[in-house]
Amino acid sequence: GQSLEQPSEVTAVEGAIVQINCTYQTSGFYGLSWYQQHDGGAPTFLSYNALDGLEETGRFSSFLSRSDSYGYLLLQELQMKDSASYFCAVRDRKAAGNKLTFGGGTRVLVKP
Amino acid sequence: EPEVTQTPSHQVTQMGQEVILRCVPISNHLYFYWYRQILGQKVEFLVSFYNNEISEKSEIFDDQFSVERPDGSNFTLKIRSTKLEDSAMYFCASSEASRPSGANVLTFGAGSRLTVL
Repeated sequence: GQSLEQPSEVTAVEGAIVQINCTYQTSGFYGLSWYQQHDGGAPTFLSYNALDGLEETGRFSSFLSRSDSYGYLLLQELQMKDSASYFCAVRDRKAAGNKLTFGGGTRVLVKP
Repeated sequence: EPEVTQTPSHQVTQMGQEVILRCVPISNHLYFYWYRQILGQKVEFLVSFYNNEISEKSEIFDDQFSVERPDGSNFTLKIRSTKLEDSAMYFCASSEASRPSGANVLTFGAGSRLTVL
């Protein structure tokens, strides 16, 4: 099966940088994804890493190290609207149904 | 922008009653999913559906659950006899299958909140 570990909560001020770490265990591996979920809302896709290295999308970047089974999401120039939960998710190559397994989520609270 | 639509947004039911949650996935997507999220907890996989059949299901998806694609657009989740612990937000999602990364990009609907009394 798959398991993912990420911190439960992070607090930071506007303009700061936050790094959310995710470690995973899976019998196969076909990419690490990140999703954002505001309270009462649906998860929305942020980024995806299939290969080692950094992927940058505006203020958000995601990093993957397959040898360490580790990735992180970097949130830069934090804004109040970034207050949300952030989930890492893995897809097991062996999963015939393209199942994504989500971590427990990291609640990010941005303060003025 | 294409979206996944779900109905109803909120349903309250009595324990033991049947519930059907409906979803209209994005039209050119080929994989469909149901996930659920108990309040404050993580998003849990229930089932994936491809080519008119279940491709994978979790241990949560027992005999009380079923999915159906009754026509070319709708995708439904039925819970035959609801239990208190079925109270959760149920998310439908869909993804492309045309490229390897596409399956990692799920588009979720706004969810159907199920409350079982």
